[in-house]
Formats: sequence, C-alpha cells, structure tokens
Amino acid sequence: SQQGEEDPQALSIQEGENATMNCSYKTSINNLQWYRQNSGRGLVHLILIRSNEREKHSGRLRVTLDTSKKSSSLLITASRAADTASYFCATGDLYSGNTPLVFGKGTRLSVIA
Amino acid sequence: EPEVTQTPSHQVTQMGQEVILRCVPISNHLYFYWYRQILGQKVEFLVSFYNNEISEKSEIFDDQFSVERPDGSNFTLKIRSTKLEDSAMYFCASSLIQENRYTFGSGTRLTVV
Repeated sequence: SQQGEEDPQALSIQEGENATMNCSYKTSINNLQWYRQNSGRGLVHLILIRSNEREKHSGRLRVTLDTSKKSSSLLITASRAADTASYFCATGDLYSGNTPLVFGKGTRLSVIA
Repeated sequence: EPEVTQTPSHQVTQMGQEVILRCVPISNHLYFYWYRQILGQKVEFLVSFYNNEISEKSEIFDDQFSVERPDGSNFTLKIRSTKLEDSAMYFCASSLIQENRYTFGSGTRLTVV
C-alpha cells in the first residue's frame, strides 16, 4: 500500500512557533499531497509536490520530499491559532494511474494563542 | 473557487433503512470519489468513478453500497440497508485528472440509530 503515515499523531505549539509534520510512505509515487481538515469539515488541498521535486513553498508552508527515504515533511512557519487542524499526507501511485489517493491517520496540530 | 456540494449535511436514519447521499462535483472534473471518516479516525477510501463506471473500490465498498451518476451533475452514494457501523462522515471529492489535487465537499454526517 502506498498509504502515507504521519508523525507525530498530535502536536501542540505556541502561536508564532514553527510546526513540522512528517509523512512516510512505502511505494514509488508520482506525487505527494498534503491536506488540512478542520474539525468536522472536509479536507482542503494545501500543496502537491511531484516526485521529481525536492522542495516546494506556498505562503507559510514548506514541503520537502525525499524519495530515497520515502518521506516528506510539512513545515508551517509562524503558526497561528487558525492553523489548528488535522493535517494529512496522501500519495499517488507511480505505476497505477487508477489508484486513488490514500490518506494516513493525520497529525492533529493545536496552536495555542 | 469552484466547490463540491454535498447534501444533506446531516442525516439520521433507522438501522436497516436505505439512504442516498448526494454530491455535485466540480463541473469540468472527470474523476469522482467517495470517502468516509468514522469519528476521530482516518479518512478511508470507498470508491472512485470515471467515465460512468466504477474504476476502483475498497473492501469497505461491499454489496450494500452503490454509486450512480444519474445525470450530468449529480453523483450519489446509496447504502441499501444501513448498519450502526455505517455511522460516519461521508465525503465526496472530485478531480480533473487522477494525479491531480482533489476537491472535497464538506461532508454528510450519517447517524444510524
């Protein structure tokens, strides 16, 4: 399975600090995506990084991808209380174009004001 | 920004009853998905749909589940005989291509009593 597994399961930080979440996966991928979910709501796409990319930025988000280690990290800089949510990684399989995204259990981020 | 719309937002049903969850994907998207999330747990893939047929389904998607795209806009998930363990948030999603970002709806909270 190419299912991503996030680490840590839960993270609590003070507003203004940086938050780092990690994701590991098992198979070869063509892309890795990060999503955010506010409590009881749908998932919102944050960023997509392709297998031939090593780093990508979007606003306060920075994603890295290490295909040799089959891992990715999501960094949120200067966190805000509004960043409190669950964050999920999901991977797209390299060899099976029909395989849908499979999500891990997520990291629950709490940003304390 | 285009949205995926799901109705109803909350449905309560008696065990053994049939329910139909409705979704309106983004109009130019080609791939459609149903996921579910039992409270506090991971987001689980149910089924993907492309070109008017199921392209992949998970072990969860057994004979009591069915999907349909009855017209050019709606995408429905039917559960024929609901069980208590079907209680969950059900999310619809769509994407332009398989490898692209998914857009999720806000979900239907199904409660089976």
